[in-house]
Amino acid sequence: KNQVEQSPQSLIILEGKNCTLQCNYTVSPFSNLRWYKQDTGRGPVSLTIMTFSENTKSNGRYTATLDADTKQSSLHITASQLSDSASYICVVSEGTFGRGTSLIVHP
Amino acid sequence: NAGVTQTPKFQVLKTGQSMTLQCAQDMNHEYMSWYRQDPGMGLRLIHYSVGAGITDQGEVPNGYNVSRSTTEDFPLRLLSAAPSQTSVYFCASSYSRGATGELFFGEGSRLTVL
Repeated sequence: KNQVEQSPQSLIILEGKNCTLQCNYTVSPFSNLRWYKQDTGRGPVSLTIMTFSENTKSNGRYTATLDADTKQSSLHITASQLSDSASYICVVSEGTFGRGTSLIVHP
Repeated sequence: NAGVTQTPKFQVLKTGQSMTLQCAQDMNHEYMSWYRQDPGMGLRLIHYSVGAGITDQGEVPNGYNVSRSTTEDFPLRLLSAAPSQTSVYFCASSYSRGATGELFFGEGSRLTVL
């Protein structure tokens, strides 16, 4: 059964600190892995997409990594801001969703 | 840039009532889909469509109907609402269902069934 597991379920950090969110998957066939950001009360918005051949991709303060051998991805947020408070959803092969990690950034 | 538009944003129903959640997109996307989002459950696919006239069931289709008469519109119908259908519903569209099919989501419709 295709599954996407995200950890931690929730995370609270202070503004300015870094954090890393994890996504482990067992999805076949694998085509890509996408991270979405969902602000409270809004729809998810794509942050970045990782394909099989990519190891690292950055989008501003967000850096995604992919290890296709271990079937793991991470999303690293650098110098967090209050606006980073959101749910981060990992989606594999455009169809299997993780349950998300809720990030709260405190001032 | 309207993108994906959902209406209504909020709705309260009584058990047994029917209603339709509207979804429209102006990006000429072939693929459209409906999800429900419940606390701790993440997004679950209800129904999807790969083009006008074509619909199919997702993970949790029971209690919901859809139709796709045009490329732009993809309404979701609840024929007899139940409290278990209390949820936030998201409509999404994509240029392609394939390998690079980024989903564009609407703002959501929060439904409460009493």
